[in-house]
Amino acid sequence: AQKVTQAQTEISVVEKEDVTLDCVYETRDTTYYLFWYKQPPSGELVFLIRRNSFDEQNEISGRYSWNFQKSTSSFNFTITASQVVDSAVYFCALRGTGGSYIPTFGRGTSLIVHP
Amino acid sequence: EAGVAQSPRYKIIEKRQSVAFWCNPISGHATLYWYQQILGQGPKLLIQFQNNGVVDDSQLPKDRFSAERLKGVDSTLKIQPAKLEDSAVYLCASSLGGTSADEQYFGPGTRLTVT
Repeated sequence: AQKVTQAQTEISVVEKEDVTLDCVYETRDTTYYLFWYKQPPSGELVFLIRRNSFDEQNEISGRYSWNFQKSTSSFNFTITASQVVDSAVYFCALRGTGGSYIPTFGRGTSLIVHP
Repeated sequence: EAGVAQSPRYKIIEKRQSVAFWCNPISGHATLYWYQQILGQGPKLLIQFQNNGVVDDSQLPKDRFSAERLKGVDSTLKIQPAKLEDSAVYLCASSLGGTSADEQYFGPGTRLTVT
């Protein structure tokens, strides 16, 4: 069975601070995909990034960066110089390719950025 | 490009009543998903359609929930009869293909309150 753990329920920071959201996953599949989504107060989940299990390169997109470490089954997300607009709930998700292709989401981390 | 449309946005019903939600995916997207998101949790997949066929409904409570996607475009999700524990946001998503790698585009959701 698949599992995604986001241990941080809520993180509160002041604008311009850096913040890292943790994601730890479990799967028996050798090929799988990891995702991060952002859910602002409006409710619509917005896709941020996809990573496949064979690509451990870190990725940077503007103020966002992702660190994928297969050895620790983690796919962490860092926001540099946070802004108020980053306030949202962030979900990490996993999707396998074998018998576990059903998307599995973590419980989410609520990020609050104070001005 | 128009996004995933859902209606209604909000619905309040009494337990044992029935309710239906509607979803119109992004044009050309073959795959459609219905998720249930209980407050404080991540989305949980209820059913996945590929065109008008069901790919997976293993997590759909079939004694009270039903879904259809006639003509492979719009979809409806029905609950009959509703229980208090069905209070949640029901999210519809679509993707171009049906593989684990495909990015999903989410609608704004329907917030259901069962009293």
